[in-house]
Amino acid sequence: DIQMTQSPSSLSTSIGDRVTITCRASQSININLNWYQQKPGKAPKLLIQAASDLQAGVPSRFSGSGFGTDFTLSISSLQPEDFATYFCQQSFSTAYTFGQGTKLEMK
Amino acid sequence: VQLQESGPGLVKPSQTLSLTCTVSGDSISSGDCYWNWIRQLPGKGLEWIGYIFHTGSSYYNPSLKGRVSMSIDTSKGEFSLRLTSVTAADTAVYYCARDDLTGTFDYWGLGAPVTVSS
Repeated sequence: DIQMTQSPSSLSTSIGDRVTITCRASQSININLNWYQQKPGKAPKLLIQAASDLQAGVPSRFSGSGFGTDFTLSISSLQPEDFATYFCQQSFSTAYTFGQGTKLEMK
Repeated sequence: VQLQESGPGLVKPSQTLSLTCTVSGDSISSGDCYWNWIRQLPGKGLEWIGYIFHTGSSYYNPSLKGRVSMSIDTSKGEFSLRLTSVTAADTAVYYCARDDLTGTFDYWGLGAPVTVSS
C-alpha cells in the first residue's frame, strides 16, 4: 500500500491567516492526489482533485499543488467556516489510502 | 446525487455486518462510476474498503483479508456491503461514496455508525 503522511496533524490558526498543509506519499503518485474537508459529524467533502483542480463551488482561497511524492493544500486567508479537518488521498493505485488528517483549530 | 446508508447500528462480535446504500439522482447503472464503501475508525483516519461496478465486478482492500463482499441491485438503485467475522476493531462510521472512475470520491453518504459489541 502507498502510505500518505500529512503534516502537521493539528494547527492553531486565526481568521485571515494563510495556512499550508503538506502531504507526502511513500512513492510517486504523479498528480493522483485529492483533498477533502471534513466537519464534525459530516461526511468528507471533495475540495481538490488531481493535485490542483478545484471542485466547482469551492472558494478560490483554496489551492493545491505538487507532483510525485510531495503535495500541499493552501488556504490563502482563513475564514470561520474553514475550521475543519483536511485529508489527502491517493488515487494512483488501489487500495486507495488517506492521510491521517490535519485539524485546523482556532487560536 | 444523493447516497444514503442504512443497516443495523449494533453488531455482535463474530457476526456479519451488513449495510445498504441507496442512490438517488444518478443512475447506478450508468457505468461512468464505481460505488465504494469507506470507513472511519474512531479518532482515526479513513480506510477504503472496496468498490463495485454496475456489472457486479468488484475490488476489495486486501487488508480486510477476504472478509468483505459487495453486491449491487441496479433495479433498486442500491448496493450493499457485507463484512464477516467482525470484531471491536471494525467499529466505525461506514460511508458509501461515488468514485468517478479515477479514484476520486465526489459524492458521499451521510455515514452510518456501526458498533461491534456483545
